[in-house]
Amino acid sequence: GENVEQHPSTLSVQEGDSAVIKCTYSDSASNYFPWYKQELGKGPQLIIDIRSNVGEKKDQRIAVTLNKTAKHFSLHITETQPEDSAVYFCAASKRNSGYSTLTFGKGTMLLVSP
Amino acid sequence: DTAVSQTPKYLVTQMGNDKSIKCEQNLGHDTMYWYKQDSKKFLKIMFSYNNKELIINETVPNRFSPKSPDKAHLNLHINSLELGDSAVYFCASSLLGDRGRYEQYFGPGTRLTVT
Repeated sequence: GENVEQHPSTLSVQEGDSAVIKCTYSDSASNYFPWYKQELGKGPQLIIDIRSNVGEKKDQRIAVTLNKTAKHFSLHITETQPEDSAVYFCAASKRNSGYSTLTFGKGTMLLVSP
Repeated sequence: DTAVSQTPKYLVTQMGNDKSIKCEQNLGHDTMYWYKQDSKKFLKIMFSYNNKELIINETVPNRFSPKSPDKAHLNLHINSLELGDSAVYFCASSLLGDRGRYEQYFGPGTRLTVT
């Protein structure tokens, strides 16, 4: 089955700095890569995603890049703010007989200090 | 206007009891999921239902029995609760179908504590 590795497990940055979280996946058939943000006591919230036919996608301060050959994808957050502090999860998915399953990385706790 | 809702938010019970968690989505999705998040925050799929039919059943003990009365609801019943069942359980939903999209949307979670 699919295996998703995520690094680092913890990331501390100063407000205004950039943050980068990296993930690798094992199944070359995976074709959808979402990122979720989970705040304390809440459910994971989809913040950005990318499909395998695209190399990069941006949405304001966040961007995701995908390297299919190397089977890795990354989340980039620029101009970090204290409210960006949360646990971030990457995931990989593929369509299989009409349904898809998400395999998650183990999460990165991002701490943004004012 | 809650998209995916779960009840209860907290559930504290003793070993051996039977309990249920309810989930409802108002997004018009046709597929619903149950995930378990352990103490180390790892998220793992347990079950998935598409149009009330079970399509994913990971290696979960048969003490866990999902039930989907309709496309908008997916409940999770747990028999003979054990200490190791303590976790946060998340419901999620997505739209598959002929023009399905991949995005899954999560509920707020139910924190189950077994004592």
